[in-house]
Amino acid sequence: EAQVTQNPRYLITVTGKKLTVTCSQNMNHEYMSWYRQDPGLGLRQIYYSMNVEVTDKGDVPEGYKVSRKEKRNFPLILESPSPNQTSLYFCASRPSLGEAYEQYFGPGTRLTVT
Amino acid sequence: AQSVTQPDIHITVSEGASLELRCNYSYGATPYLFWYVQSPGQGLQLLLKYFSGDTLVQGIKGFEAEFKRSQSSFNLRKPSVHWSDAAEYFCAVGNTNAGKSTFGDGTTLTVKP
Repeated sequence: EAQVTQNPRYLITVTGKKLTVTCSQNMNHEYMSWYRQDPGLGLRQIYYSMNVEVTDKGDVPEGYKVSRKEKRNFPLILESPSPNQTSLYFCASRPSLGEAYEQYFGPGTRLTVT
Repeated sequence: AQSVTQPDIHITVSEGASLELRCNYSYGATPYLFWYVQSPGQGLQLLLKYFSGDTLVQGIKGFEAEFKRSQSSFNLRKPSVHWSDAAEYFCAVGNTNAGKSTFGDGTTLTVKP
């Protein structure tokens, strides 16, 4: 089944404890992206990757890191999480560059930082 | 810079009634426009998309949207709403060459029996 998977689905952590949220897609998509969703703010793009080893900042990159060492994986790293990073996070992917393909979203990761 | 505005935060309609969700965008060129739906506790699913051609676009679940360049709008419509349509709806504009995607703040749809 074609899908985007995220792990973990739920995570409660404490301020300053490094964490990684994994994202993997099995559709051979070049493009991958991370979003956070907060009430009343919609989805805001954190980082995106146009291809392996190519990443760029979205609208809210502060406090986050990403890497794209292989096509299928795009982990989101919080080096020192803070309570304002409590949010619902979505990973997405889409095929090809320069074409208006829609994004395929993972199921989301709900993160709470205390 | 690209932007998307969904003026209605929350809409309530009766089952069987028609629906229109508004979306206005700001973009420097011909936009790529999308509508996604998010059911409670779920990820986002594409309803429909526009990138060129016919300005009236048909999507899944009986939804359609019309691109109006003169009004910078891409409103979503459905002639008869079902209780299962209750969800949050997001309009988005994409710049596929540059990778940035911008979503509206979302409209929550409640369906009354």
